[in-house]
Amino acid sequence: GDSVTQMEGPVTLSEEACLTINCTYTATGYPSLFWYVQYPGEGLQLLLKATKADDKGSNKGFEATYRKETTSFHLEKGSVQVSDSAVYFCALNNFGNEKLTFGTGTRLTIIP
Amino acid sequence: DAGVTQSPTHLIKTRGQQVTLRCSPKSGHDTVSWYQQALGQGPQFIFQYYEEEERQRGNFPDRFSGHQFPNYSSELNVNALLLGDSALYLCASSLAGQGASYEQYFGPGTRLTVT
Repeated sequence: GDSVTQMEGPVTLSEEACLTINCTYTATGYPSLFWYVQYPGEGLQLLLKATKADDKGSNKGFEATYRKETTSFHLEKGSVQVSDSAVYFCALNNFGNEKLTFGTGTRLTIIP
Repeated sequence: DAGVTQSPTHLIKTRGQQVTLRCSPKSGHDTVSWYQQALGQGPQFIFQYYEEEERQRGNFPDRFSGHQFPNYSSELNVNALLLGDSALYLCASSLAGQGASYEQYFGPGTRLTVT
C-alpha cells in the first residue's frame, strides 16, 4: 500500500539557518503530494502541495518539488524564523478525494 | 467563512464507555474524513463520508462508526473504549470531484483521553 517516510526528528536550528526536511513516498499511480504543518495545540494546516511530477509547491518561503524519479518531496526554506517552530507532516493522496496517507511528522524547533 | 469546527475540544472517558465526537465541515464542502492521531505520530485515516454514506474505511475495528447528516456535518462514534483509543481525533472536509486539485481542510481536533 501507499506509505510516506520522513526524516527522523526532532530538528533544532538557529534563526536564519537553512532548512531541509526529507520526505520519500511509495505509491502506485500518480499521487498528489502535500506538506501540512501543525502548530502547538492546533490542527493541521496545508502548507503547500504538488499534483504532478516536477511541480513545485511554495508558500510562506517554503518550497518542495515533486521528484518522481526519486519518489521524493523534500521541504526546504532558505531562512527559518522562530515562528516556523512546529511539527511538519508529509502526506500523499492517491486517486483523488480519498484518504491522505501521512508520514510520522518532524518536529522543528528554531532558537533565536 | 467558518472553517472546520469540532466539538468537544477535550473529553475524558473511562474504559468500556462510548463516545461521540462531532464535526461541521467548511462552508461549501460535502465530504468529511476522520483521522486518529496518537501522540507523536502522524494522523491515521479512519473513514470518509460522502452523500451520507461511508465511502472508504481505513484499518480500524467496527467499534469505530460514523454518520453524516444532510447538512454534511458528521459524527464519529467509538464504542467499548480502550486505553489505546486515547488520541487527537481530527476531522477534515473537502469538496468531491476536485481530482488532482483535491485538498482537505482540518479542524482543531478533539483530544480524547481514556482512563
